[in-house]
Amino acid sequence: EDQVTQSPEALRLQEGESSSLNCSYTVSGLRGLFWYRQDPGKGPEFLFTLYSAGEEKEKERLKATLTKKESFLHITAPKPEDSATYLCAVQGDSGGGADGLTFGKGTHLIIQP
Amino acid sequence: DTAVSQTPKYLVTQMGNDKSIKCEQNLGHDTMYWYKQDSKKFLKIMFSYNNKELIINETVPNRFSPKSPDKAHLNLHINSLELGDSAVYFCASSPRGGRSKNIQYFGAGTRLSVL
Repeated sequence: EDQVTQSPEALRLQEGESSSLNCSYTVSGLRGLFWYRQDPGKGPEFLFTLYSAGEEKEKERLKATLTKKESFLHITAPKPEDSATYLCAVQGDSGGGADGLTFGKGTHLIIQP
Repeated sequence: DTAVSQTPKYLVTQMGNDKSIKCEQNLGHDTMYWYKQDSKKFLKIMFSYNNKELIINETVPNRFSPKSPDKAHLNLHINSLELGDSAVYFCASSPRGGRSKNIQYFGAGTRLSVL
């Protein structure tokens, strides 16, 4: 069974204070690792997908990296508008073609001005 | 021009009732999904549909039944609602191939409250 563990559960930073969120995973045949952002009362918003170890992707102040066991979401010089819950998910080969994502519980990030 | 839209946004009902949630996507995607987010904010897959064929059913009670009239719609019917069904339900869709393969795009969610 695929599993995703995210840490920390919550993180409070000052504006401009860089940090990293962790996503540890176990999966049978990784087809993709996904990062989403979720604001209160809204659906998850796609940020990145990573397909193989060593891959990196960047978007504005966010950078996602992937190893064979974990992924990091690095946040550089964050702003208050980066406050949200960040969700990590994996998609594996289990279930003979199953396409559902297995999500972690998320990291609730608060950026204080 | 919302990509994945769900209705209603809020649904309050009594225990034992039957209700439906509708989902439509205008992205031309092949696969659609339903997820449940419980009170602890944990998102869990319930169903997926590809070309009108159910390909996932993750230990969901048979009171829940997805129905897809066409590729752009996947509705969720719930019979005999129970208190434990209270949650936020999200619809999502994804393409099969191309550069965006397997990326799932989510609707805004339907908050179901069973009293």
